[in-house]
Amino acid sequence: QITLKESGPTLVKPTQTLTLTCTFSGFSLTDSGVAVGWIRQPPGKALEWLALIFGDDDKRYRPSLKSRLTITQDTSKNQVVLTMTNMEPVDTATFYCAHKGRGMTDFDYWGQGTLVTVSS
Amino acid sequence: SDVLTQPPAVSVAPGQTATITCGGNGVGSPSLHWYQQKPGQAPVLVVYDDSDRPSGIPERFSGSKSGNTATLTISRVEAGDEADYYCQVWDGTRNIIFGGGTKLTVL
Repeated sequence: QITLKESGPTLVKPTQTLTLTCTFSGFSLTDSGVAVGWIRQPPGKALEWLALIFGDDDKRYRPSLKSRLTITQDTSKNQVVLTMTNMEPVDTATFYCAHKGRGMTDFDYWGQGTLVTVSS
Repeated sequence: SDVLTQPPAVSVAPGQTATITCGGNGVGSPSLHWYQQKPGQAPVLVVYDDSDRPSGIPERFSGSKSGNTATLTISRVEAGDEADYYCQVWDGTRNIIFGGGTKLTVL
């Protein structure tokens, strides 16, 4: 059974760096073609993909946010970490991590999400 | 860059058929997927690779694609189908794109 869960701060101040952790079980990132992605959703707005990481450390980023994002993995802990620098109030959103299966381009399992508010 | 365009809202009476479209040049990507998101919940994959259903998704949910338009069809709509629906593609290289979402209201 595949599960994912996001953790991190619920409140960050403007200009700070956000660090979120996705802890997963039921699969291994070392499996070929498997990846974990991060997606965010501002309140009342649409889903927006942010970043993706494969087990071979291949990383993909949303082009418009690439300069602010870093995705890393700790395979020993079954965790994927997303950092986002220079947070602003417009970055307030629910952040989800999700599983992408081998050979697939969809996200078939999602975490419950974590709401991050950016405010002074 | 690729854009996926969805109607903001669709309304349908119970028992009728709902159709939600997803258009744009991004639809031409090899595979298009649909997610259902109920208030306060994470998205759930309901159709993948244009027209396949994950296990556990009712047959009432179906997907199709023609040219630059993909369609999610929900037959015999139930009150529990009321949700936001998102289409998604990945061009395989640079970008993963979600549509703007469609709010399905069951009258």
